[in-house]
Amino acid sequence: RKEVEQDPGPFNVPEGATVAFNCTYSNSASQSFFWYRQDCRKEPKLLMSVYSSGNEDGRFTAQLNRASQYISLLIRDSKLSDSATYLCVVIHGGATNKLIFGTGTLLAVQP
Amino acid sequence: DVKVTQSSRYLVKRTGEKVFLECVQDMDHENMFWYRQDPGLGLRLIYFSYDVKMKEKGDIPEGYSVSREKKERFSLILESASTNQTSMYLCASSLGFGVDNPYNEQFFGPGTRLTVL
Repeated sequence: RKEVEQDPGPFNVPEGATVAFNCTYSNSASQSFFWYRQDCRKEPKLLMSVYSSGNEDGRFTAQLNRASQYISLLIRDSKLSDSATYLCVVIHGGATNKLIFGTGTLLAVQP
Repeated sequence: DVKVTQSSRYLVKRTGEKVFLECVQDMDHENMFWYRQDPGLGLRLIYFSYDVKMKEKGDIPEGYSVSREKKERFSLILESASTNQTSMYLCASSLGFGVDNPYNEQFFGPGTRLTVL
């Protein structure tokens, strides 16, 4: 089982739609969580950190459910420019402290 | 803005060749990382370094080595390139490292697409 799992998609949605991605992680000791965004043929960039209380940044909302070991990303009012791959990232903590990346979910926003 | 640069965007090498991939960051970051990214496998950590001359193995270090002689530069070396090392290689740096560190955001370079024939 992969440590971080994501639905690869693609999610094809019309402009203005609301779309949600989930990501599950297998290690209950995981302590830090992030969403990165990767445009086609570009490098990943941090979109937002995910906090226990949930957090919002404009049209983007991230939530963490520790009991079920998943994090989610909600995008409201999708724009064409939101088309990208969204990477779920987890840090386990302890001796490792490494970032563990999911394989990403591809979002294609259609005009 | 943090800038992470990589020496080549595209590279084609022959099996058995020694390959050097260079990465330079300009923000005085302590930590630097090398990943490879393959379809269906995501980003996998090869090596990382948290200080000059320090290195730690990641999840897939076999067939690779690294060098960090200066804080701003982190080199990935393929001692004898093989076809299964054909991949996208991404370098990253961060100021901090680890859980709850507010500066653990990783900044990535544009990547080097390496093809080994």
